[in-house]
Amino acid sequence: SQQGEEDPQALSIQEGENATMNCSYKTSINNLQWYRQNSGRGLVHLILIRSNEREKHSGRLRVTLDTSKKSSSLLITASRAADTASYFCATDPFNNAGNMLTFGGGTRLMVKP
Amino acid sequence: DAMVIQNPRYQVTQFGKPVTLSCSQTLNHNVMYWYQQKSSQAPKLLFHYYDKDFNNEADTPDNFQSRRPNTSFCFLDIRSPGLGDAAMYLCATSRDNRGGRQYFGPGTRLTVL
Repeated sequence: SQQGEEDPQALSIQEGENATMNCSYKTSINNLQWYRQNSGRGLVHLILIRSNEREKHSGRLRVTLDTSKKSSSLLITASRAADTASYFCATDPFNNAGNMLTFGGGTRLMVKP
Repeated sequence: DAMVIQNPRYQVTQFGKPVTLSCSQTLNHNVMYWYQQKSSQAPKLLFHYYDKDFNNEADTPDNFQSRRPNTSFCFLDIRSPGLGDAAMYLCATSRDNRGGRQYFGPGTRLTVL
């Protein structure tokens, strides 16, 4: 079963606006990762946040992690048309016996020019 | 550039006709993964290799097999493809089995006629 569930499933915004995607998970984790997938392509790693971290930034990306609520959010600021993609969270469960990430269902983001 | 390469990018096969998808990496990573991804869904792990050790997911059909002849190459064999096996197949690597970042190839889109 999927460890992560993402919300919303789809998001449509105008260029320049901020986009926020949320991920909830069920079990304790070592880390949580966010990936981007352009249509028909592979996944690209965006950012990894460890269980003892609360916030992380990378360029226009801001990720937060609340382990008490078992949730994370990805904020993309000043969005661009090129940010149009699906975004997946993936968790590395605590006591993971083999580096198996569990992916959420993804949020499909459309940024309109 | 170091990368994960998948060939072919598009594969068409006939119902029941065996097909092999290939993946190579120049990252010298110990772990290689095969995922199946159907439209608008999360990637689903089929199996992974940690070095030469093969790890099959419990719900991966027997129809799917894998080979890793050396560190650089990994193959996905589908012995008798059914219509339900049409999907994107993603290969990924990671340096070790400690739950870190995974590096994905561009994927192979499989069509079953």
